[in-house]
Amino acid sequence: TQLLEQSPQFLSIQEGENLTVYCNSSSVFSSLQWYRQEPGEGPVLLVTVVTGGEVKKLKRLTFQFGDARKDSSLHITAAQTGDTGLYLCAGVDNYGQNFVFGPGTRLSVLP
Amino acid sequence: AAGVIQSPRHLIKEKRETATLKCYPIPRHDTVYWYQQGPGQDPQFLISFYEKMQSDKGSIPDRFSAQQFSDYHSELNMSSLELGDSALYFCASSLRGDRGQYFGAGTRLSVL
Repeated sequence: TQLLEQSPQFLSIQEGENLTVYCNSSSVFSSLQWYRQEPGEGPVLLVTVVTGGEVKKLKRLTFQFGDARKDSSLHITAAQTGDTGLYLCAGVDNYGQNFVFGPGTRLSVLP
Repeated sequence: AAGVIQSPRHLIKEKRETATLKCYPIPRHDTVYWYQQGPGQDPQFLISFYEKMQSDKGSIPDRFSAQQFSDYHSELNMSSLELGDSALYFCASSLRGDRGQYFGAGTRLSVL
């Protein structure tokens, strides 16, 4: 059983469209991170969210941490082909145990 | 800025051989993590070290061992390699208390 679930698993959209991907858990997390990974490369840290209800913006990317710190979302505005990749959420649960990754959302932005 | 460096980038071994993967963390980072990522899968945590001591253990097989040295670099030693060990192996580093991890480019291990 995955501690972190992500949806959708796959997403294919046209350049210029908006999209939202979700990261959910039944557990409370002290923090969640979002990473983007390209094939054959290591995950690249995009953001860390810590406080329930927190919203962080990174250019066209908006990250939100749920009030109960059990879920998070990533919204991309006006997607570009360079946004294509695997988006992973990850974090340490509130007991401070293992760092876990979600299964990822594979995004394809078509020209 | 300096990133996490892993070597080698690619490694081909035969069944039952041994392999050693190396990781050089970002300077001043005190924590190192090792992950295994199979095709189409998310990274699976293997083991981590904080200040040269093992801090957490994940799904690392008994055939694997790891250590962190005085200069903070880490090595993952893999023995009696099996076909199923073929995967991307990532090392990541962080500063204790800084929740984000910074990943290296990975070592692609192929066991034939």
